Amino acid sequence: SQTIHQWPATLVQPVGSPLSLECTVEGTSNPNLYWYRQAAGRGLQLLFYSIGIDQISSEVPQNLSASRPQDRQFILSSKKLLLSDSGFYLCAWGGQGYEQYFGPGTRLTVT
Amino acid sequence: DQQVKQNSPSLSVQEGRISILNCDYTNSMFDYFLWYKKYPAEGPTFLISISSIKDKNEDGRFTVFLNKSAKHLSLHIVPSQPGDSAVYFCAASAIYNFNKFYFGSGTKLNVKP
Repeated sequence: SQTIHQWPATLVQPVGSPLSLECTVEGTSNPNLYWYRQAAGRGLQLLFYSIGIDQISSEVPQNLSASRPQDRQFILSSKKLLLSDSGFYLCAWGGQGYEQYFGPGTRLTVT
Repeated sequence: DQQVKQNSPSLSVQEGRISILNCDYTNSMFDYFLWYKKYPAEGPTFLISISSIKDKNEDGRFTVFLNKSAKHLSLHIVPSQPGDSAVYFCAASAIYNFNKFYFGSGTKLNVKP
């Protein structure tokens, strides 16, 4: 069966510090991978999606970047965090069908 | 520009009654719709979906209705149970880009015992 891992579960970082969130998927190959953010009181905003290694689409201009160095690894990064980067970050994978399967999420607080 | 909208941020229902969660969309190219359920501090879990070739899909206590002319879909939960209390998101995808999903802002359902 497929599983998706995200870490860390929670993170508190000062403004201006770098960020690296990692997501890995097991039990499937060549998945579509996604990064979403849910800001407080808001819905899910798609940040990036990837259909293959080094194939990343950015959905919104922002302070973040994404990379996919391996088939089942998706990394969300920032060189300098802003207060507005606080939120709940979700990684998801999708196969040939339409459903997406989400990881447990990372709660990021930028102070 | 939000292409999928859930205009009710919250809904409160008595246990055993019907819960109806609504979702509207603006893009006529959307052809696949999904509902997700999310508990606090967890990732959303897939609940039910519907293709645009159908107007109804049922799975146990959950039924999704699609009205393409109105660009509206709804999720019915009958009977509602306290464990259904969660945030519900609807999402839509277009056939020309099925990799990309647009999510609504969510509706927080509270089922009172």
